Amino acid sequence: ELKVEQNPLFLSMQEGKNYTIYCNYSTTSDRLYWYRQDPGKSLESLFVLLSNGAVKQEGRLMASLDTKARLSTLHITAAVHDLSATYFCAVDILTNRDDKIIFGKGTRLHILP
Amino acid sequence: DAGVIQSPRHEVTEMGQEVTLRCKLISGHNSLFWYRQTMMRGLELLIYFNNNVPIDDSGMPEDRFSAKMPNASFSTLKIQPSEPRDSAVYFCASSPSGGAGTEAFFGQGTRLTVV
Repeated sequence: ELKVEQNPLFLSMQEGKNYTIYCNYSTTSDRLYWYRQDPGKSLESLFVLLSNGAVKQEGRLMASLDTKARLSTLHITAAVHDLSATYFCAVDILTNRDDKIIFGKGTRLHILP
Repeated sequence: DAGVIQSPRHEVTEMGQEVTLRCKLISGHNSLFWYRQTMMRGLELLIYFNNNVPIDDSGMPEDRFSAKMPNASFSTLKIQPSEPRDSAVYFCASSPSGGAGTEAFFGQGTRLTVV
């Protein structure tokens, strides 16, 4: 059974600091997605990572994928309050029959002004 | 495109009643996912369809839950009879066919409260 584990699950940090959220998964996949969810809202796609070594950056967020280590990271640079949200990684399992997307439990990020 | 459309946005019902949640996919998407989100269990995959066919329903919690795709653009998730522990936010999401290498796009969710 595929397991997707994020850590930390909760993170409170000061504005201006850097931090990294980790996403480990238990089966072979080279497709991983990061989403953001604001309280009471839906999930919004942030990054699509489709190969080993893929790196994507948008503003203060940068995501990377290491398929050999089955690890993805979401790095936050010089955090600002607007980045407070819950961040999910999701692993896409594609076989001849299946194409399902399994989510981690999310990392609730709170950035203090 | 208006994106994935779910209805209703909010539903409050009494225990034992039947509840039907609805989802309209993005045009051209072939995969449809139903997820349930709670504080305790996070985001759980209930069932997913590819080309209108249910591929994996192992996440459906009980026989009280059923899902259908009567056509390529529409799906329903039914709970009968509903119980208080079914209270959650239910999301549907769609994506292009497998192998397309794109993420799933989510609807706004249905917040279900069973009293």
